Amino acid sequence: GDSVTQMEGPVTLSEEAFLTINCTYTATGYPSLFWYVQYPGEGLQLLLKATKADDKGSNKGFEATYRKETTSFHLEKGSVQVSDSAVYFCALSVNNAGNNRKLIWGLGTSLAVNP
Amino acid sequence: NAGVTQTPKFRVLKTGQSMTLLCAQDMNHEYMYWYRQDPGMGLRLIHYSVGEGTTAKGEVPDGYNVSRLKKQNFLLGLESAAPSQTSVYFCASRGTVEVYEQYFGPGTRLTVT
Repeated sequence: GDSVTQMEGPVTLSEEAFLTINCTYTATGYPSLFWYVQYPGEGLQLLLKATKADDKGSNKGFEATYRKETTSFHLEKGSVQVSDSAVYFCALSVNNAGNNRKLIWGLGTSLAVNP
Repeated sequence: NAGVTQTPKFRVLKTGQSMTLLCAQDMNHEYMYWYRQDPGMGLRLIHYSVGEGTTAKGEVPDGYNVSRLKKQNFLLGLESAAPSQTSVYFCASRGTVEVYEQYFGPGTRLTVT
């Protein structure tokens, strides 16, 4: 079945370090891919998305490229800040009954950035 | 706009008690979802709705019921709470078939003792 695998955390970095959080997926058809972020004590919010192969999603300095050949959607940021400390979720969207576009979630990767 | 709101924010129940979690959205969204978030298990879909008056089961529906009597509200009920239902519950909504993004509420932390 459809699934998302992302690297386990926690990830701890110093401010201005380079960030990569790996995400790979298994899906039939052509899913859309997402990164959501959850700041402490809050709900999830969409960080970026890509809807077809080779698309690059970007937002707030974060980027991820939809790689169909490697079934990956790795999240990167060139220089992290303390305010980026959060849990990051990779997800894919598939159509199911009723055209619902169910989201399949990874388990989340916790990032802590130290000053 | 308030977006997606959830009440209550926190609740402690004893085993066997019942309660209802309320989710409200002011974005006129068609689709609404209830998830639970547990450590090491990510987000799991409990129930969802594709429009007013409709509901459907997600991955982990047992022990929960839902209702969508009004488009803006999606209620999650626990008829007889169990300790295994201790979790953080999130509601989300989405606009249309073409729109992918789900908007999340701030969550309800439920403890069942």
